[in-house]
Amino acid sequence: KQEVTQIPAALSVPEGENLVLNCSFTDSAIYNLQWFRQDPGKGLTSLLLIQSSQREQTSGRLNASLDKSSGRSTLYIAASQPGDSATYLCAVVLGGQNFVFGPGTRLSVLP
Amino acid sequence: GAVVSQHPSRVICKSGTSVKIECRSLDFQATTMFWYRQFPKKSLMLMATSNEGSKATYEQGVEKDKFLINHASLTLSTLTVTSAHPEDSSFYICSAGPAPGTSSYNSPLHFGNGTRLTVT
Repeated sequence: KQEVTQIPAALSVPEGENLVLNCSFTDSAIYNLQWFRQDPGKGLTSLLLIQSSQREQTSGRLNASLDKSSGRSTLYIAASQPGDSATYLCAVVLGGQNFVFGPGTRLSVLP
Repeated sequence: GAVVSQHPSRVICKSGTSVKIECRSLDFQATTMFWYRQFPKKSLMLMATSNEGSKATYEQGVEKDKFLINHASLTLSTLTVTSAHPEDSSFYICSAGPAPGTSSYNSPLHFGNGTRLTVT
């Protein structure tokens, strides 16, 4: 059974810091891995999608890497801003559009 | 980009009543929609997969008679929480996709903004 974990569970940093969020999964047989952002009481916004054959994806200040063999992905946020405060979820996509989500990392960027 | 609309965003109901949540794909036809439930500070848990024109597929441990799912058209799926109880209070999120011409391999699912259900 696929399990997804995320470390740390919560993170508080001053504005401007670069930070790394970690995601681990137990079964490397995945279609792709996605990182989402969730604001309090809101739905999910897709940030980055890494296909199983890719190693990383970049969008603006965000960079996500994928090491399928070791079951790990990292989300790198450069020059963090207060507007980045949210919960970040990683999810692995199995066959048949089946998602397995991690528990999320709650990020707080202090001005 | 593709948009999924979920309504209502918040609902408060009394114990024993039923609540219907709608999930609409606004600019594409979604043959498959997914319903998730999220407990506070926990991850999203898939409840069921809704396929247009057929019965939904429920995950283990989800009561299909309590959480009725109807996917009557390619743009609308509904989740009805029947005889709601306080333990049903949670955050429910739907997703749809992938859009036609894409695949789950290279295209993200699109999520609604969720419904906060409070049962008193």
